[in-house]
Amino acid sequence: DTGVSQNPRHKITKRGQNVTFRCDPISEHNRLYWYRQTLGQGPEFLTYFQNEAQLEKSRLLSDRFSAERPKGSFSTLEIQRTEQGDSAMYLCASGYGRPAFTDTQYFGPGTRLTVL
Amino acid sequence: GENVEQHPSTLSVQEGDSAVIKCTYSDSASNYFPWYKQELGKRPQLIIDIRSNVGEKKDQRIAVTLNKTAKHFSLHITETQPEDSAVYFCAAGSGGSYIPTFGRGTSLIVHP
Repeated sequence: DTGVSQNPRHKITKRGQNVTFRCDPISEHNRLYWYRQTLGQGPEFLTYFQNEAQLEKSRLLSDRFSAERPKGSFSTLEIQRTEQGDSAMYLCASGYGRPAFTDTQYFGPGTRLTVL
Repeated sequence: GENVEQHPSTLSVQEGDSAVIKCTYSDSASNYFPWYKQELGKRPQLIIDIRSNVGEKKDQRIAVTLNKTAKHFSLHITETQPEDSAVYFCAAGSGGSYIPTFGRGTSLIVHP
């Protein structure tokens, strides 16, 4: 499967615990995006990377959230001290990243986080 | 920032009918308008997109129209089938921000 992959697919955790999610983009894609989606809503932008550089962060991304893409390939999203409000589907997407061009984005299957 | 409004939130049609979903956007600099289909528990999948240098694009039973003056764009599905049942999201983005803003989605139900 050459599409975007995410792991784990489901994560159940207790409030206050830390969690980390992984995204593997399509191999030739330079841009990688993280979104959060709650029931009845469209994807909400969290952050994105151009290669290994994190270029933009949404105000939704509190200081408990951190994302990395150390070698410009896979990315991780960590949530520290989880809260019940963090329960959502976390989607990753990737795109080619042509200059001055809004990507066609290809989404992964998501990681569903449940905070008890 | 960009604001995308999508209507209706729910659309129920009979198999074989046409379905139309409409979106408006606020940022006149937006030049990229994708549509995604998301089935329950699955990833959003791109079904069609349009860039601002064209007014209409078709792909079999699906078409998208864009009116840049009025800042709205629409998804048209003809001869609907039960497998078209899903949530459809529109989005709008510009080359300056690289980040499309999504609408809240339309739940399309096609009754056999």
